[in-house]
Amino acid sequence: AQSVTQPDIHITVSEGASLELRCNYSYGATPYLFWYVQSPGQGLQLLLKYFSGDTLVQGIKGFEAEFKRSQSSFNLRKPSVHWSDAAEYFCAVASGGYNKLIFGAGTRLAVHP
Amino acid sequence: ETGVTQTPRHLVMGMTNKKSLKCEQHLGHNAMYWYKQSAKKPLELMFVYSLEERVENNSVPSRFSPECPNSSHLFLHLHTLQPEDSALYLCASSQDHGGEGGYTFGSGTRLTVV
Repeated sequence: AQSVTQPDIHITVSEGASLELRCNYSYGATPYLFWYVQSPGQGLQLLLKYFSGDTLVQGIKGFEAEFKRSQSSFNLRKPSVHWSDAAEYFCAVASGGYNKLIFGAGTRLAVHP
Repeated sequence: ETGVTQTPRHLVMGMTNKKSLKCEQHLGHNAMYWYKQSAKKPLELMFVYSLEERVENNSVPSRFSPECPNSSHLFLHLHTLQPEDSALYLCASSQDHGGEGGYTFGSGTRLTVV
C-alpha cells in the first residue's frame, strides 16, 4: 500500500536559517508528489508538486523540493526561513485513480527570531 | 479566498443532534473530497465524489452521510456522533483524476461533539 513518512514531527529553526523537511514515500509506480502547508485554523495550501521531468521543483513562497527516486524521497527546502513560514507542512502522494492523496503525518515548523 | 468555501467554520453539537457541513467550490472542478483531521493523526480520506457520484467510502461509520447534489456542492450530514468524532473536517476539490492537479482545500469546519 502507498504510504508517506515524515520522520520529523517538530522542527525549530532560526529566522534566516536554511530549512529542509524530509519526506519518504512508498509507491510502486512513478509517483505524483506534493507538499502542502497549513497555518493554524486554516486549510491546506499547495506549495509545489512533482509529476515528471526535472527532479528539482520550484514552488511558491521560495520553497523547492527535490525528487530522488533512488532514495524514495521528496524533501522540501528553503534557503532562508521567514517567521511567517511557521506552520505545519504535509507531504502527500497521489494514489490510484480519482486523484486520492495520501498524506504524511506532518511536520510542525517553529521559527525563532 | 481559496475557491473552496466551507460552512460553518465552527460547530458544537450534542451527541443526539443532527447537523450538516457544507462545502462549495467555484473552480469548475469535477471531483470533491471529505477529509478528517484529528490531533496527532494523519489526514484521513473519508469520501470521494467524482462527477457527483460517490466513488469511495473509506469505511466511514454510517453516522456520517455525504451528499453531492451537483459538482459545486458537497455536504456531510452528521447524526448521533461520538466525542471522538471531534476534529477538523476539510473539504477539497480537484479538476482531474490521476494525481496531476493536486487539491484545493477549504478552511475546514472545526467540529466539537459534547
